[in-house]
Amino acid sequence: GENVEQHPSTLSVQEGDSAVIKCTYSDSASNYFPWYKQELGKRPQLIIDIRSNVGEKKDQRIAVTLNKTAKHFSLHITETQPEDSAVYFCAATPSNQFYFGTGTSLTVIP
Amino acid sequence: EAQVTQNPRYLITVTGKKLTVTCSQNMNHEYMSWYRQDPGLGLRQIYYSMNVEVTDKGDVPEGYKVSRKEKRNFPLILESPSPNQTSLYFCASSLSTGATYEQYFGPGTRLTVT
Repeated sequence: GENVEQHPSTLSVQEGDSAVIKCTYSDSASNYFPWYKQELGKRPQLIIDIRSNVGEKKDQRIAVTLNKTAKHFSLHITETQPEDSAVYFCAATPSNQFYFGTGTSLTVIP
Repeated sequence: EAQVTQNPRYLITVTGKKLTVTCSQNMNHEYMSWYRQDPGLGLRQIYYSMNVEVTDKGDVPEGYKVSRKEKRNFPLILESPSPNQTSLYFCASSLSTGATYEQYFGPGTRLTVT
């Protein structure tokens, strides 16, 4: 099956700095790559997604890039704020299944 | 209000005692799925369903059963729970029959098997 690797596992940044989280996947059939944010004690919520026919997508301070050739995709958060502190998960979907990365715990230091 | 609900939210049980965790969505979604979340392992898909009476194994289906008799409900059944099934469980649903749309997660069920 698909194998999704996510790095780093923890990330601390100063408020206002940028944060980058990277994921790689193994199955070239994967065609949808969502990113979920999970605050402490809460359920995961989608923050941005990208499909395989697009190389980059942006939504305000959040952007995702996809390199299909290299099989990797990244989440970029600019101008980080304390409320961005959470665990972030990437995922890849070959066929009808979801495969998640192991998560990145982001801490934004005020 | 559009939502995914799960019950119970917390459950402590003993090895071997059959249990069911219910999941219901009111968004008329085709796709429903169950995940378990364990520290350091992320979210792992247990089973998914693309429509009524259609269910398929995810990445970690051993020890679990599901059914999809109605579009809105997707219960997770542990017929003989074991301690290694202690975990946080999430149900999720999405609009499409394919896994290419936003998933809406339920609040989670924290299960402890002793």
